[in-house]
Amino acid sequence: GAVVSQHPSWVICKSGTSVKIECRSLDFQATTMFWYRQFPKQSLMLMATSNEGSKATYEQGVEKDKFLINHASLTLSTLTVTSAHPEDSSFYICSARVQGGRELFFGEGSRLTVL
Amino acid sequence: SQQGEEDPQALSIQEGENATMNCSYKTSINNLQWYRQNSGRGLVHLILIRSNEREKHSGRLRVTLDTSKKSSSLLITASRAADTASYFCATDAASGSRLTFGEGTQLTVNP
Repeated sequence: GAVVSQHPSWVICKSGTSVKIECRSLDFQATTMFWYRQFPKQSLMLMATSNEGSKATYEQGVEKDKFLINHASLTLSTLTVTSAHPEDSSFYICSARVQGGRELFFGEGSRLTVL
Repeated sequence: SQQGEEDPQALSIQEGENATMNCSYKTSINNLQWYRQNSGRGLVHLILIRSNEREKHSGRLRVTLDTSKKSSSLLITASRAADTASYFCATDAASGSRLTFGEGTQLTVNP
């Protein structure tokens, strides 16, 4: 199956700093990638849909200026958590589809801890 | 409420037993998918069943879909300790749309 790589797998940062998470499709091109947030023992919450070469589409209630998404190439999308606060601590997961496919391929997730 | 509600929320069984998880949804779908997530990891696609299909098999997995009841079930036969994970259903409402995930079932298979 297709491979999606996510980096870093975990990060600890101080409150007020910004953190960038990368999501790469390794063996396929992804015009669309999806970013999710997951709290412990809960389901995935879609944050935004990342579109290559255009602005991301954010879900209701997700702050665009807080969670900056850039999809500059067909294999890379980045999520930047700006001015992070402890409440931003969570597990962030990206996913992508092979063109024409229906299943999602997920990265391994990034655990963010804001002190 | 959220599309894709699953029950039970948690299931604990002994190795060798079968595990059944159920998923209900509210809107029309193009297909329904099941994913597995090991603790602290990403999700892995298990199986996809289209809206015009009623049952599908893949190894020890058996998925059923009842569009009249808007429900699906995932059966894992002859479970193993390595099957311990969270299992999520996800509905695909239309071509090109995003998936909507259920709340998940935490399965524990005791050796």
